[in-house]
Amino acid sequence: TQLLEQSPQFLSIQEGENLTVYCNSSSVFSSLQWYRQEPGEGPVLLVTVVTGGEVKKLKRLTFQFGDARKDSSLHITAAQPGDTGLYLCAGVGGSQGNLIFGKGTKLSVKP
Amino acid sequence: NAGVTQTPKFQVLKTGQSMTLQCAQDMNHEYMSWYRQDPGMGLRLIHYSVGAGITDQGEVPNGYNVSRSTTEDFPLRLLSAAPSQTSVYFCASSYSGGTGRSQYFGPGTRLLVL
Repeated sequence: TQLLEQSPQFLSIQEGENLTVYCNSSSVFSSLQWYRQEPGEGPVLLVTVVTGGEVKKLKRLTFQFGDARKDSSLHITAAQPGDTGLYLCAGVGGSQGNLIFGKGTKLSVKP
Repeated sequence: NAGVTQTPKFQVLKTGQSMTLQCAQDMNHEYMSWYRQDPGMGLRLIHYSVGAGITDQGEVPNGYNVSRSTTEDFPLRLLSAAPSQTSVYFCASSYSGGTGRSQYFGPGTRLLVL
């Protein structure tokens, strides 16, 4: 069974601070996705990383896929209150490419 | 485009009652799926479909049935609701089985089983 572990589970920081969220597995994934979910809404895709060692940037968010395609990280620079939400990583696996989700990191950025 | 729509938004059921959660998408996506989200558990796959007439089980299929008669619709049926099925249910769709493709999620259905 493929599992994804996210850490930390909760993170509360002040506006302007930097943070990193980790997504780790013992399994290899063909690709990995990061989603953000706001209260009362469905997850929204932020990025998909496919190649081992790949780095993608989305404004103040930097996503990295591990060389062995077993782990990923999300780094946010100068966090803002608008970054508050639940961040979910999801590995693409199995014969049908179904998503396997981590349990999420709940981020709170205080002004 | 409306994207992925789900109805109802909220539902309260008594143990043993049945209901159908509706999901529709207008993006002509082949792949559709149902997840449940519970506190501290993340999103878990219930059932999925790779096209009209084709469905398969996910990680937690017990107590749920699905069918896919059209590309647009993918309803989820609870035949005899149990308190353990209290959860938030999300429907999602994409062009294929998720490999590198964007998954579009609906707004969710919040279900309480008493």
